[in-house]
Amino acid sequence: GESVGLHLPTLSVQEGDNSIINCAYSNSASDYFIWYKQESGKGPQFIIDIRSNMDKRQGQRVTVLLNKTVKHLSLQIAATQPGDSAVYFCAENSAKAAGNKLTFGGGTRVLVKP
Amino acid sequence: DTGVSQDPRHKITKRGQNVTFRCDPISEHNRLYWYRQTLGQGPEFLTYFQNEAQLEKSRLLSDRFSAERPKGSFSTLEIQRTEQGDSAMYLCASSASRKGKDTQYFGPGTRLTVL
Repeated sequence: GESVGLHLPTLSVQEGDNSIINCAYSNSASDYFIWYKQESGKGPQFIIDIRSNMDKRQGQRVTVLLNKTVKHLSLQIAATQPGDSAVYFCAENSAKAAGNKLTFGGGTRVLVKP
Repeated sequence: DTGVSQDPRHKITKRGQNVTFRCDPISEHNRLYWYRQTLGQGPEFLTYFQNEAQLEKSRLLSDRFSAERPKGSFSTLEIQRTEQGDSAMYLCASSASRKGKDTQYFGPGTRLTVL
């Protein structure tokens, strides 16, 4: 299949280990953040979101951390599985800004080694 | 399948031809978005609709691009006089607008190749 991203930062992780993917954002007005997973040849798939009034949110095997002071977002994947291999994007949105477009970060490729 | 669907999944065309893509959002979603994604990049916003009204267009959307959502359900994106630089994945997303939260769900995309 086609590659989603040819020159993306890559995180190689051993199956069963935890993964941490980082994202920096620049718009201090952003108040809603989403992590998406994109597999080759597919559209982005929603993983987890967080509003700016929170600093941590947990889902199934995933945790998102938000540090508004340094404008940093991270996604932690517990017990990484081969099916987690994909490109991960963070996206931000501001409810106060005109329009509702998402602004995406550059993406990180995660490769899970068996 | 109740997710966002897009048609066609792949389109190959010659430079100068017109192409049209269709997006069917999740049925109860009133907002619909179009994004473009090139290899190695995240999706970039093109335009969005709330019901049938087109409320915002990016500067990326040149005069050759037009989008419609005539009945507030499905949407079409047309590119006239295609150029090689239009080659990209065109993604559609939909959401149900809620105060302070607008989770967008994406379709599989239409891969456009302009020869």
